[in-house]
Amino acid sequence: DTAVSQTPKYLVTQMGNDKSIKCEQNLGHDTMYWYKQDSKKFLKIMFSYNNKELIINETVPNRFSPKSPDKAHLNLHINSLELGDSAVYFCASSQDLRVADTQYFGPGTRLTVL
Amino acid sequence: EDKVVQSPLSLVVHEGDTVTLNCSYEVTNFRSLLWYKQEKKAPTFLFMLTSSGIEKKSGRLSSILDKKELFSILNITATQTGDSAVYLCAVEASTGTASKLTFGTGTRLQVTL
Repeated sequence: DTAVSQTPKYLVTQMGNDKSIKCEQNLGHDTMYWYKQDSKKFLKIMFSYNNKELIINETVPNRFSPKSPDKAHLNLHINSLELGDSAVYFCASSQDLRVADTQYFGPGTRLTVL
Repeated sequence: EDKVVQSPLSLVVHEGDTVTLNCSYEVTNFRSLLWYKQEKKAPTFLFMLTSSGIEKKSGRLSSILDKKELFSILNITATQTGDSAVYLCAVEASTGTASKLTFGTGTRLQVTL
């Protein structure tokens, strides 16, 4: 069973479009995250949610809107996609607000904006 | 702003060599330092270090933290081609009731035959 799953794995779209990436975890964790990894492999946190509540919101354009319908799901919606949004987006989850060694990453979604 | 710097950026070694990867950091409210291995997909957890001077070891990999000098090293002995990957260092910092990870840019290790 996949612990943290994301869909889709690949997403190719045109500039200006709106797209969503879905994430689900079956670990019973309370906290979920979105990270962005650019072409140089630099991994940076975007958001974290704990029990559906937004905890961390880094300096991310407001075109990015996370939504957590329940604590097992954290989706990422992106409006008006730009070329610079091309990256791999990783979802992750951890037992609680303490990240540490309980954080598991999903397989990533490679987003390409043309 | 929290900062994590890894060196070298990339490294090519022959199978059987020993390598040392470096990670230095400047973080407010330090909690722990973590090492990850990233091959083609998601980062996978290797070690978490919280105390200075205590070596964590797993097979041919080991790591140690120096909280006074604000750095950590990851050693890999008798390298194998399967060790080829990007190694990421991350520092966990407290943000009140929560914490967050700040990652370095990674060291790309290539092990050749």
